[in-house]
Amino acid sequence: ETGVTQTPRHLVMGMTNKKSLKCEQHLGHNAMYWYKQSAKKPLELMFVYNFKEQTENNSVPSRFSPECPNSSHLFLHLHTLQPEDSALYLCASSPRAYYDQETQYFGPGTRLLVL
Amino acid sequence: SQQGEEDPQALSIQEGENATMNCSYKTSINNLQWYRQNSGRGLVHLILIRSNEREKHSGRLRVTLDTSKKSSSLLITASRAADTASYFCAETSGSRLTFGEGTQLTVNP
Repeated sequence: ETGVTQTPRHLVMGMTNKKSLKCEQHLGHNAMYWYKQSAKKPLELMFVYNFKEQTENNSVPSRFSPECPNSSHLFLHLHTLQPEDSALYLCASSPRAYYDQETQYFGPGTRLLVL
Repeated sequence: SQQGEEDPQALSIQEGENATMNCSYKTSINNLQWYRQNSGRGLVHLILIRSNEREKHSGRLRVTLDTSKKSSSLLITASRAADTASYFCAETSGSRLTFGEGTQLTVNP
């Protein structure tokens, strides 16, 4: 285990539903990240939080809304998603952002299916 | 254009053989990292090589970096069935990791 947990592990939702993904890290890190992994595509960085502040939004549609109440928890709120949003959503953490000698620790991901 | 492109996209070998995966990138890097992902799971960091390093070892892993060719390779020696996974290189700029599409390695028992 990497010290990063994600719930739920699997989620099926309709396009009109509202759901949230949760990520928690037990590593004492200060930076957290959301990535999207679609089939046959590289991992796409979605959001970066550093010391609870959002520092990057990689042109993510507003139907994805992140929330970082503290350095240990990160949420991704989902509403009115599209079928093409079906993917594996990965959370990661690192001691701090914008320090490139550090590695990121990934959670197991949430497999999302939008019907 | 995509950075951190791995080659080959898929590799199938027998247990005990060595596996070599290559990665090319297009811009100057501060460091390059390799990650492993078991099917449907999160990524696990394997090794980081800095831009001023040419080779690095970790157990059965050997990573090389050629900044003049903007390429890196990951060698797994004496492969095991448990090494079956996808392997990604990621170039690092600040905290941003830019991943390639990965190499799917299958090690047959």
